[in-house]
Parts: sequence; C-alpha cells; structure tokens
Amino acid sequence: DTGVSQNPRHKITKRGQNVTFRCDPISEHNRLYWYRQTLGQGPEFLTYFQNEAQLEKSRLLSDRFSAERPKGSFSTLEIQRTEQGDSAMYLCASSLTGLAGDKETQYFGPGTRLLVL
Amino acid sequence: AQSVTQLDSQVPVFEEAPVELRCNYSSSVSVYLFWYVQYPNQGLQLLLKYTTGATLVKGINGFEAEFKKSETSFHLTKPSAHMSDAAEYFCAVSGITSYDKVIFGPGTSLSVIP
Repeated sequence: DTGVSQNPRHKITKRGQNVTFRCDPISEHNRLYWYRQTLGQGPEFLTYFQNEAQLEKSRLLSDRFSAERPKGSFSTLEIQRTEQGDSAMYLCASSLTGLAGDKETQYFGPGTRLLVL
Repeated sequence: AQSVTQLDSQVPVFEEAPVELRCNYSSSVSVYLFWYVQYPNQGLQLLLKYTTGATLVKGINGFEAEFKKSETSFHLTKPSAHMSDAAEYFCAVSGITSYDKVIFGPGTSLSVIP
C-alpha cells in the first residue's frame, strides 16, 4: 500500500512530556498538511508544507508545537510540554498541486491518537 | 474566510432507504466544495468534490451532491443506504486558489439500521 502512513498510531504520555509524530506522505506529493481532530469535530488545520517550505501555520498552533519537513518527504510534528488539552487525533494529509481551475485532492493518513494524562 | 455548517450531527436511516446529509457554507468568494467520509479508526477519504462545471457531482459508492449557489448548499445524497455506509461524513469548503485552506464542518454520523 502506498498511501499516507503515520507513526505511531497511538501515544499515551504524561503531562509535561514531549512527543513526536511522523508522517510519510505519498511519494510524489509535494504538499503535506497537519490537522488536529477532537471528538465530534472535523479536522482543524494546523500547518502545511510545500516541499520543504512551511507555508502557513495556524494561529491555533502554540509555540509548543513545531513541524518540520527537512527533505520535502516525511514530516514530523513535535509537541513540547504536553498538556491535557493536546489530547486529540493528529491527522496528516498529502497532495499534489493540481491544474488551475482544480483543487488538489488531499489523501489522509490513519492518524495518531494522543492521550495526555 | 469560509465556514461550513452541518446541522445534523447524527442521521439514522434504514437499510435501502434514501440518504440525505445536509451541508451549508458561508463565503464571500468563490468556493470549491468537498465531501469526505471517515470510517472508525481510519483517515478521511474523499467521496466527491465540486470545483467547476456541472453542479451535480457524482462520487464513489453511489453518492452524489448538488452545488446550489443560491442556497449556499451542497447536500450529499444516495438513493439506497447500505450497512457499509455507516460512518462519519464531513463537508468541507475552500477558496479557489491553490493556497486556500480546506475548512471542514463538524461532521454528521450516519447510522444504518437493518
């Protein structure tokens, strides 16, 4: 299967610890997105990359959150000093920028479910 | 900025009955519209999207949606529900430039009753 993969699938941590998630996009995709999804809500945009450049970062994203995509392939999302409010599903999606007049389809990974105790 | 409203958080239907999931959006600019489906413990999968052209869009698994600009709606329909359709459905909107973010609605949980 050559879809988007995310690791780990689940993470339980104690408040104050740092966590890092990894996303491997579909290989030829140049865009990579991170979203956060809480129970009963749709995905909320966090940040996205075009190749290795981080083009936009949501105001929802505090300074404790950082994302990288160093070689324009896989990406990592790190949360420092986790808080209970960070408990959520973290989704990654990738896409290939399309033609004018179209909107590229985002392909989502299965997500990483984070629980902060 | 755009926003999406999905008024029904839960929709139960009987197997083989028609399905309608409602979506309304708000935007001051032209938009593209999407429906995604999420099965338990999985990521989102695109069902269909409206970008340009025909306002009735057909997607996978027998679903379709009609873009009605005058009503700012993009309701999702299917003539006959299957048990396998039980999932969470998300409507989403974006502006038409490649740099516009996709904004997701809160989702509608479809349950299918045998």
